[in-house]
Amino acid sequence: EVRLLVSGGDLVQPGGSLRLSCEASGFTFNIFAMTWVRQAPGKGLEWVSTIIGSGTTYYADSVKGRFTISRDISKSTLYLQMNILTAEDTAVYYCAKEGIWNYDMDSWGQGTLVTVSS
Amino acid sequence: QSVLTQPPSVSGAPGQTVTISCTGSRSDIGPDYDVHWYQQLPGTAPKLVIYANNIRPSGVPDRFSGSKSGTSASLAISGLQAEDEADYYCQTYDSGVRVFGGGTKLTVL
Repeated sequence: EVRLLVSGGDLVQPGGSLRLSCEASGFTFNIFAMTWVRQAPGKGLEWVSTIIGSGTTYYADSVKGRFTISRDISKSTLYLQMNILTAEDTAVYYCAKEGIWNYDMDSWGQGTLVTVSS
Repeated sequence: QSVLTQPPSVSGAPGQTVTISCTGSRSDIGPDYDVHWYQQLPGTAPKLVIYANNIRPSGVPDRFSGSKSGTSASLAISGLQAEDEADYYCQTYDSGVRVFGGGTKLTVL
């Protein structure tokens, strides 16, 4: 059974930094693409970043240059380093495992709340 | 970046069939890229209900079906039940970028 355990959400001041973690189990972590998706309060889903099996990374324009996705294969853990945070980054952040072929997100973690406020 | 357009809301009575549309452009919902659909119940993480346009993951009732034609895709839910009341999102892929639709709130009357 695939499990994704997300942690790291917190209240942070504007301009601050935060690192989210997503501990994965139940599948071969380094083979599958892993993705971060966020959802601002009362809003829809927004793709944030993806790291594919080869290690290549992709970012939404809204976070490019501020956020960094990475993974530790030995720990089966995905990370999202978030810098220069603004109020617009306030959201629940989910990690998701992608399917092997179609860029779908077939398993999701429970989400963690990031609040950017002074 | 690409935009997928969904109606903000749809509704239907129990037992009826509802359809949710997802309209894109040639650069995203095209012949080479698939559309996926997610259900998000209140206060929970999204759940994949259709992938690759029309395939149901294991455990998803066959009341859920998907289709794609040209630059549009649709999710149909037949035999509507109260437990289907949720937000639904379409998603596709465009040159490394994953794209979500704005979401549709389904109300079961």
